Amino acid sequence: EVQVVESGGGLVQPGGSLRLSCAASGLTFSTYWMSWVRQAPGKGLEWVANIKQDGSEENYVDSVKGRFTISRDNSKNSLYLQMNSLRAEDTAVYYCAREIGSSTRGAWWFWFDPWGQGTLVTVSS
Amino acid sequence: DIQMTQSPSSLSASVGDRVTITCRASQSISTYLNWYQQKPGKAPKLLIYAASSLQSGVPSRFSGSGSGTDFTLTISSLQPEDFGTYYCQQSHIVPRTFGQGTKVEIK
Repeated sequence: EVQVVESGGGLVQPGGSLRLSCAASGLTFSTYWMSWVRQAPGKGLEWVANIKQDGSEENYVDSVKGRFTISRDNSKNSLYLQMNSLRAEDTAVYYCAREIGSSTRGAWWFWFDPWGQGTLVTVSS
Repeated sequence: DIQMTQSPSSLSASVGDRVTITCRASQSISTYLNWYQQKPGKAPKLLIYAASSLQSGVPSRFSGSGSGTDFTLTISSLQPEDFGTYYCQQSHIVPRTFGQGTKVEIK
């Protein structure tokens, strides 16, 4: 069974830092893009960042650029999100998700599956 | 960024009803569109990918259609376990973006 499990959430003061981890199992981790998606309390889903299979490409939503860094360690089947300069608006449940890709005639389709159970990050003084 | 707009924001329907949720993209995204179901306190679950492909293990009463800018998720016969919030998501470009969600309640 493919599984991803997040950890590392908690309470942090504004301006502080936190590092989230995501442990993957049941899949060949190094062959997939991976993403972080967050959900503020009572709100919808917001994609945060993704990273290519070999770590050579990263993408971020504008609101976290320069503050968050996504990384991976394929030898440990693990994904990370380093969050610096945290703000109250970063308070959310953070989900790790595998991006499955499928190609037809050079075009690529991607979707998120599975998702982890999420880890709560609370930014508050 | 591509904006995704769902309608309605919420709905209440009876068991056995046919339910339709609409998702509109701010620009053409071909069929790069996925649908997820989220139940309270749980992670989202993939239902439909590439606009119309049913994820393995998802009941056949769920179906997706559309291309370009307009998409539809249909539940052919609503069941009690189908309550929750449904999200569309585009994968045409980054940043990946989601619709605001449609909350489905059972009457």
